[in-house]
Amino acid sequence: NAGVTQTPKFRILKIGQSMTLQCAQDMNHNYMYWYRQDPGMGLKLIYYSVGAGITDKGEVPNGYNVSRSTTEDFPLRLELAAPSQTSVYFCASRSAGVLDEQYFGPGTRLTVT
Amino acid sequence: GENVEQHPSTLSVQEGDSAVIKCTYSDSASNYFPWYKQELGKRPQLIIDIRSNVGEKKDQRIAVTLNKTAKHFSLHITETQPEDSAVYFCAARDWNSGYSTLTFGKGTMLLVSP
Repeated sequence: NAGVTQTPKFRILKIGQSMTLQCAQDMNHNYMYWYRQDPGMGLKLIYYSVGAGITDKGEVPNGYNVSRSTTEDFPLRLELAAPSQTSVYFCASRSAGVLDEQYFGPGTRLTVT
Repeated sequence: GENVEQHPSTLSVQEGDSAVIKCTYSDSASNYFPWYKQELGKRPQLIIDIRSNVGEKKDQRIAVTLNKTAKHFSLHITETQPEDSAVYFCAARDWNSGYSTLTFGKGTMLLVSP
């Protein structure tokens, strides 16, 4: 199993541009999450999904959108990128059963200038 | 929602010493508390977790303790080694619209000197 994969690894955006961060998992996990990690600030939840077609906002959803059309994929869309969205983005997934461990992807480092 | 405070933000120890990182949480309904280790440039990885029906859990050199009354939990690393150097995050289960999410602390950078 590849686990949780993310693309791209790095990206530089200009202010106002848009992009989609890709996340996929091959563990048949129902739950998927998007976090952003700023220096010294831990991980903040942007959006999460509990299954295909079901998404909900986390702590910091403004400026982002998500969709979940399949169990495997959970893309994060940035519209009108702003410097405040410069961060490292992590996708994570876990099963819906009693096991609570979240498995993280390798992350995407995004710079908005 | 849940609020998790983590201390200290930086911890420097000599190889072989013990290290303790402490976290407090606000929501008494939280019942799951994981600890993640993140090496520089890498993804967070779970190292140990504890549920609210248990007071302590050990796995070789690491242990976690939970005090539900005081709403705090701690990570203990004994006989530290240079490869323990990393950022450690605590987290607590939060409930959003009836679904389980995690709220993370801000992290502790542990530096183990040879």
